[in-house]
Amino acid sequence: GQNIDQPTEMTATEGAIVQINCTYQTSGFNGLFWYQQHAGEAPTFLSYNVLDGLEEKGRFSSFLSRSKGYSYLLLKELQMKDSASYLCAGLSYNTDKLIFGTGTRLQVFP
Amino acid sequence: EAQVTQNPRYLITVTGKKLTVTCSQNMNHEYMSWYRQDPGLGLRQIYYSMNVEVTDKGDVPEGYKVSRKEKRNFPLILESPSPNQTSLYFCASSGRGQGRNYGYTFGSGTRLTVV
Repeated sequence: GQNIDQPTEMTATEGAIVQINCTYQTSGFNGLFWYQQHAGEAPTFLSYNVLDGLEEKGRFSSFLSRSKGYSYLLLKELQMKDSASYLCAGLSYNTDKLIFGTGTRLQVFP
Repeated sequence: EAQVTQNPRYLITVTGKKLTVTCSQNMNHEYMSWYRQDPGLGLRQIYYSMNVEVTDKGDVPEGYKVSRKEKRNFPLILESPSPNQTSLYFCASSGRGQGRNYGYTFGSGTRLTVV
């Protein structure tokens, strides 16, 4: 199977740091994506990890451990506009199929 | 501007009345896909296409049809819509190999209600 699991909801305070975890079954995926999705809108690309380690892009960073089937998205200096759903998605081997987790709804409070 | 265009954005229809949701991309992408998104279930793939005249079922294909006669277009057809097809639909595309770097480019979505 290719299940992807992430928490359903998280809350955080403006200016804080939040880490959103994603776990997956290790077989069958060639890379992990993170997308941001505001309510009713299309998902937008945040990051892609194919090798182990941390990838940093401004306030957002993403980490991957392939042997543990584990990834996280780290959001720093949270802003109100970061309130959205964050989708973890695995890319299947030998195809371009993306398999999504159910998403983590993040609410940022003042 | 590179984009995936879906139409309509909103649609309310009655059970059994055939409808088509159009999807077009201007990036010369080989791979196109349709997803539906429902609360608590996330994005689930309906159909996908690896290239012109090549289509295949995703995880939830029942009640849907697609065609890929041209590279840029990938319409989703509901021959006899039912209320359980009420959902938010997204079309997405990816260039060959680019799926490994940038994932998909998504359309703006179509919110379909079947009464």
